[in-house]
Amino acid sequence: AQSVSQHNHHVILSEAASLELGCNYSYGGTVNLFWYVQYPGQHLQLLLKYFSGDPLVKGIKGFEAEFIKSKFSFNLRKPSVQWSDTAEYFCALMFSGGYNKLIFGAGTRLAVHP
Amino acid sequence: GAGVSQSPSNKVTEKGKDVELRCDPISGHTALYWYRQSLGQGLEFLIYFQGNSAPDKSGLPSDRFSAERTGGSVSTLTIQRTQQEDSAVYLCASSLLADSTDTQYFGPGTRLTVL
Repeated sequence: AQSVSQHNHHVILSEAASLELGCNYSYGGTVNLFWYVQYPGQHLQLLLKYFSGDPLVKGIKGFEAEFIKSKFSFNLRKPSVQWSDTAEYFCALMFSGGYNKLIFGAGTRLAVHP
Repeated sequence: GAGVSQSPSNKVTEKGKDVELRCDPISGHTALYWYRQSLGQGLEFLIYFQGNSAPDKSGLPSDRFSAERTGGSVSTLTIQRTQQEDSAVYLCASSLLADSTDTQYFGPGTRLTVL
């Protein structure tokens, strides 16, 4: 069965620190990969997505993610976090033949301190 | 409206009662999805609609759960004889087409509490 693992459940950083959130998936076929973010009191929003082509994907608010097929990974990065990045981050996959349903990881809560 | 809307935003019910949750997708979006976000299970897919038909109901946890979509627009998720384990935030999402490249836009959710 398809699954997504996010290694860090809680991350605490100071402003200006660099961020990397891990995401690994389990599926042997073609996948589309996503990072969604949920800011406090707001609904899920798309940060970035990967379908094909350049494995380094750039999203909104300075976030990027790299798809490494050999490692089944899609880690999220940001060189310098801000207090406003405090949120919960979800990695998700969509697989061929899956009717476009998203399979989510458990999420990572990020707290950025000023 | 500009985004996906859901109603009610909060629902408190007693165990054994039936509840209906409503989703209004973005106008013109043909695909509609229901997900559930709970403490123990994270974010789980429930059901997918393409137009008014539901080709994928694989995520519905039991036969107490059903959903319909009428006119290719509004969808209703019904939970019969609610149980405490049904307590969760129920999220609706829509996308323009049923295409894997399309972004799914999420609504604010309905927080269901079963006492």
